[in-house]
This record gives sequence, C-alpha cells and structure tokens, in this order.
Amino acid sequence: GQNIDQPTEMTATEGAIVQINCTYQTSGFNGLFWYQQHAGEAPTFLSYNVLDGLEEKGRFSSFLSRSKGYSYLLLKELQMKDSASYLCAVPRIPGGGNKLTFGTGTQLKVEL
Amino acid sequence: GAVVSQHPSWVICKSGTSVKIECRSLDFQATTMFWYRQFPKQSLMLMATSNEGSKATYEQGVEKDKFLINHASLTLSTLTVTSAHPEDSSFYICSAPPSGTSTDTQYFGPGTRLTVL
Repeated sequence: GQNIDQPTEMTATEGAIVQINCTYQTSGFNGLFWYQQHAGEAPTFLSYNVLDGLEEKGRFSSFLSRSKGYSYLLLKELQMKDSASYLCAVPRIPGGGNKLTFGTGTQLKVEL
Repeated sequence: GAVVSQHPSWVICKSGTSVKIECRSLDFQATTMFWYRQFPKQSLMLMATSNEGSKATYEQGVEKDKFLINHASLTLSTLTVTSAHPEDSSFYICSAPPSGTSTDTQYFGPGTRLTVL
C-alpha cells in the first residue's frame, strides 16, 4: 500500500521562506509530485522528483530523499497569492505511472 | 500548454436525479483519463480510470453502477452520477495524460462542484 503524510496547516509571512514536508511509505517508488491547489480549482503541477536532491524552479524548489522516504517543497519570497493547498502525490504502484495517490494536502496561509 | 476542460463547472440537483459531467482534452488525445473526487478539506481520491475503447476500471469501494463512465472518443470522457444523493456532493476532477507521454505529464481539469439537495 501507499501512505503519505503532510502537515495539515501552515502559516507564514509575506516575503519569508516556508518549507512544506511530506513523508511517504510505498512498496515501490516512481517519483514524487508536488501540486498547488487554490480553493475550488484544479491542482496545478509544481514539480516532479525522481532522483535524490534539490531541484530549483524559480521561487519554488523541491527536495527528495528516497532512502528516507521524505520530500519537501520550499517556497521563497512568499506572496499572498501563494496561499493555497499544497499536495504531495506519488504514482500508484502497481497501477501505472499516471494514477496518483495524493496526500491530504497542506493548507498554507500567507499573512502580511 | 495542454488544456483539459470540464463541463459543467458546477451543478445543483435534487436527490434521485442523474448528473453527467464531461471531461475533454482540448488539444491532445488521451486514451486514458482519470476521475478523482475531493470532499471538503480532504485530498483527491482516485475513483476510476476511463479507457477509450474499453470498460472503465474502478477503485475499491467505488460503485460502478452508480458512477457510469463512458470514454466516447480520444478527447472525451463522461462521468454520470446516477440517482445522486447528498453524500455524493463533492468536487469531481478529471485528469488526462497525453497518449504516449511519460509519468510526469498529466493535466487536470478545472473541476465540477456537485451539490445534491
């Protein structure tokens, strides 16, 4: 089976840096996704990590440690529009690479 | 980038009626589409896999006779919630990986909010 854990809520200040953690337990592994979801909208793709290490993409970076079953999403220079739910997801194994198991999501609130 | 649309974006219906939700890939073909459901403050849960030209496959606990799926073409999948009840009220989201693409390519529709009175 697969199990994904994320903190339920986080609050941060505009302009600051926030790290959202995700731990997972899976019988197999084929990468890890991060999605951003604003209320009432569909998830939008942020990152996909399949190898260990940090991948940077603008203000957002994602880190993966396969040996520890751990990932984090790092958001820099926070903006009010970054207030959203951040979902960690892994491909279902077995089941095909495009079926995803999602974590419960971390609701991030950015304050002034 | 690739676009997936859903229609309607929201629907309110009476208990016992059926509701059809469409998912379309606008500029690519998708032999497979996925239907997810999201209850308030919960994460997305995969309901079923829609397969063009064959029957849909359902996740454990999802009633196939209640949630009818038809993948009519390479760009259209429909989900029909039959005899809807208030507990079916949820946010339904489809996703579609373009045919022949790798694991990390998948596009989500904007979702359909269903409210059953």
